[in-house]
Amino acid sequence: EPEVTQTPSHQVTQMGQEVILRCVPISNHLYFYWYRQILGQKVEFLVSFYNNEISEKSEIFDDQFSVERPDGSNFTLKIRSTKLEDSAMYFCASSEGPHRTKNIQYFGAGTRLSVL
Amino acid sequence: AQKITQTQPGMFVQEKEAVTLDCTYDTSDPSYGLFWYKQPSSGEMIFLIYQGSYDQQNATEGRYSLNFQKARKSANLVISASQLGDSAMYFCAMREGREAGNQFYFGTGTSLTVIP
Repeated sequence: EPEVTQTPSHQVTQMGQEVILRCVPISNHLYFYWYRQILGQKVEFLVSFYNNEISEKSEIFDDQFSVERPDGSNFTLKIRSTKLEDSAMYFCASSEGPHRTKNIQYFGAGTRLSVL
Repeated sequence: AQKITQTQPGMFVQEKEAVTLDCTYDTSDPSYGLFWYKQPSSGEMIFLIYQGSYDQQNATEGRYSLNFQKARKSANLVISASQLGDSAMYFCAMREGREAGNQFYFGTGTSLTVIP
């Protein structure tokens, strides 16, 4: 069964460093998303991406964050200068294109980011 | 106001019994989708079931069913014949509107423990 894959599964970084989290969405999906989940809290939306541009972003997604689809398969989240409060599980998700009724978002297994 | 409310932080159920996990939602959009996800201790988010706001019948997927009460704005997940592998966090989520790329709003989750 097709799945969303995320790498790495765990990333440890020093405060102030840049990190790039990688995702390979399901191949025929057109919408891509990043969410984060701080330990013990609910899942929060960061950004959605369609047709090579951001379609929606939350107030969490400030200038420190950026997303990119560098090629036909990868979707990345970059955090330019990490802060302690960026420590969280980051989930990538993807969904089918428009004109689909359900638009179920399928999630990857997550990348646990630890900022020291 | 919270878009999704899950009032049960933790639930216990005997193996082979049925259990209901509560979810209420808040939206003024007549078109929306409701989703349930399972998050085992390994961390991934697994899609379980979908209910559309215009669906006339309650959704079912194997042992999972959704008790959709539109007037009460509730979308409770019913798991029948619980198994030990059902022990996990369960999240209710909502997408407002018909746009494919719209964000999902998640609740705080319910931790389900299945007792042998």
